[in-house]
Amino acid sequence: QKEVEQNSGPLSVPEGAIASLNCTYSDRGSQSFFWYRQYSGKSPELIMSIYSNGDKEDGRFTAQLNKASQYVSLLIRDSQPSDSATYLCAGNTPTSGTYKYIFGTGTRLKVLA
Amino acid sequence: GAVVSQHPSWVICKSGTSVKIECRSLDFQATTMFWYRQFPKQSLMLMATSNEGSKATYEQGVEKDKFLINHASLTLSTLTVTSAHPEDSSFYICSARPFGQGVNSPLHFGNGTRLTVT
Repeated sequence: QKEVEQNSGPLSVPEGAIASLNCTYSDRGSQSFFWYRQYSGKSPELIMSIYSNGDKEDGRFTAQLNKASQYVSLLIRDSQPSDSATYLCAGNTPTSGTYKYIFGTGTRLKVLA
Repeated sequence: GAVVSQHPSWVICKSGTSVKIECRSLDFQATTMFWYRQFPKQSLMLMATSNEGSKATYEQGVEKDKFLINHASLTLSTLTVTSAHPEDSSFYICSARPFGQGVNSPLHFGNGTRLTVT
């Protein structure tokens, strides 16, 4: 079973702090990874994608990918209460000539005002 | 850009009836769309991959005769839950990746359909 694993949390951080969210994956054939944010009762919205080893920054968000360790992370700087949500990590898994997107269980983040 | 519209947003139906959910890509074409289901406090579980002009590919454990998928055009996929039962109550979300974009492109999600079967 090709899986994407996340700690379910909740992860609680004070407002203004850095939130660090982690994800591991089992399929070495996965090429791309995505972080989505999902508010309760809503569908996921894309935060960032990453497919090269190293860091990728976009505003307050930094995604990190280490393919050797099969590890993906998301850092949120200057966390705000509005960042409180579930963060889903997804990997793009090759299968039968195409790719399908496998999601982790998500990490619930609480930013405390 | 890359807007996915899903309809209806919510539906309540009686046990034994069928429900159709539509997923449209509004500003792009998609040869492949993905249908997910999410139960409360759980992650998205891929149900099936919808392929334009051909049969859908179902994940293990998903009944293809119960969850009928039709991808009749490059902008429309439908999921029909046949003979719905209370255990089918869930949040159904479709997603798509624009045709021609590579493997590194993300999925774009519809707003989801909350199905309640009474």
